[in-house]
Amino acid sequence: AQTVTQSQPEMSVQEAETVTLSCTYDTSESDYYLFWYKQPPSRQMILVIRQEAYKQQNATENRFSVNFQKAAKSFSLKISDSQLGDAAMYFCAYRSAYSGSGGGADGLTFGKGTHLIIQP
Amino acid sequence: NAGVMQNPRHLVRRRGQEARLRCSPMKGHSHVYWYRQLPEEGLKFMVYLQKENIIDESGMPKERFSAEFPKEGPSILRIQQVVRGDSAAYFCASSPSDGNTEAFFGQGTRLTVV
Repeated sequence: AQTVTQSQPEMSVQEAETVTLSCTYDTSESDYYLFWYKQPPSRQMILVIRQEAYKQQNATENRFSVNFQKAAKSFSLKISDSQLGDAAMYFCAYRSAYSGSGGGADGLTFGKGTHLIIQP
Repeated sequence: NAGVMQNPRHLVRRRGQEARLRCSPMKGHSHVYWYRQLPEEGLKFMVYLQKENIIDESGMPKERFSAEFPKEGPSILRIQQVVRGDSAAYFCASSPSDGNTEAFFGQGTRLTVV
């Protein structure tokens, strides 16, 4: 079974600064997808960014970028120019590319989350 | 195109009662996933359904929990004889197909068992 570990329960950053959230995962599969989701106090789960394991290029979405290290099984999220609206819980998630195989492979496996605080 | 709709947003049940949580996927989506989020935890996969079929229920507790996604109408997560430990936020996500397509989440139902 796959596991996702987020070792930082809480992170704090000054507005306009850059912050990096860590995520490591464990899998024996060679093809999979990785995601970062944001969960603000409204509880809505919002997809921030996703990465296909077969792509070497790191995904980027505006101020959000990832550092994907496949050999190290590491998938960190960098938020540049932090804004007050970025304050939320951030969850790293894994999904197998081998769907339909059961055992939870069709769903997302989430880490426990990192609470990001933005200091004005 | 409305997003994934879950209702109710909040549900309070007494121990021993039944809880029914509803999820209407996005238009054109035929794949539904249910997750449970306990306090201070990430979401945990429960079940994956397609229309009229349960594809993967490996994350569902063996007793008291059931899910369906009928040909017409919303997907239902049913919890019978609720206990305090069932108190959690339950999220539904939908996608148009399997594979590498993104799943879109609803806002969740917060179940409180008193």
